[in-house]
Amino acid sequence: GQQVMQIPQYQHVQEGEDFTTYCNSSTTLSNIQWYKQRPGGHPVFLIQLVKSGEVKKQKRLTFQFGEAKKNSSLHITATQTTDVGTYFCAETQYSGAGSYQLTFGKGTKLSVIP
Amino acid sequence: EAGVVQSPRYKIIEKKQPVAFWCNPISGHNTLYWYRQNLGQGPELLIRYENEEAVDDSQLPKDRFSAERLKGVDSTLKIQPAELGDSAVYLCASSNANGRAQGELFFGEGSRLTVL
Repeated sequence: GQQVMQIPQYQHVQEGEDFTTYCNSSTTLSNIQWYKQRPGGHPVFLIQLVKSGEVKKQKRLTFQFGEAKKNSSLHITATQTTDVGTYFCAETQYSGAGSYQLTFGKGTKLSVIP
Repeated sequence: EAGVVQSPRYKIIEKKQPVAFWCNPISGHNTLYWYRQNLGQGPELLIRYENEEAVDDSQLPKDRFSAERLKGVDSTLKIQPAELGDSAVYLCASSNANGRAQGELFFGEGSRLTVL
């Protein structure tokens, strides 16, 4: 399946700085999900975006879905050391016969310098 | 409520040996996934089950990999024989997507395979 492109691959920030990761697809997405994976851990679901132009917030995290449903972003305000990990977007595409396929990007690895 | 349970957590084998991984999904979740995650990469889907039916196995290397989900609950993923390139973390996930709408995935801790 088509894989979404995530940028940047790595990001090092000073604690308190903001962080943004972007997810881009060449095709229109049914919806998009975001996951966080702590070092040595497993992916944990953060949020799902469905509607064109949708914006959702979770405390310091802001998620956006593009108007054309081809891109998405995750923004963290005032990063903390607990934000360390890899953030994955996962695209959902309808694969026919009532079935959906979820494909993960390569992720953005966030390091926070205390 | 118990999450997705996988075993073993770690496995070290020599190449050409067989290996099997087991997954118990969250109770009531009809959809089960096996993903493979290489170091520094995102999870890659190997196979997806709706109840006991494999509905997407296009990425499963069928010459050496096999999977089953008897009775639509637990699942096993087998590799025989293992190759050096199979070293990765094998993640099991489940959801209550009901085969149509895509819901969130709940992942297990993963089984880390090292092939020597």
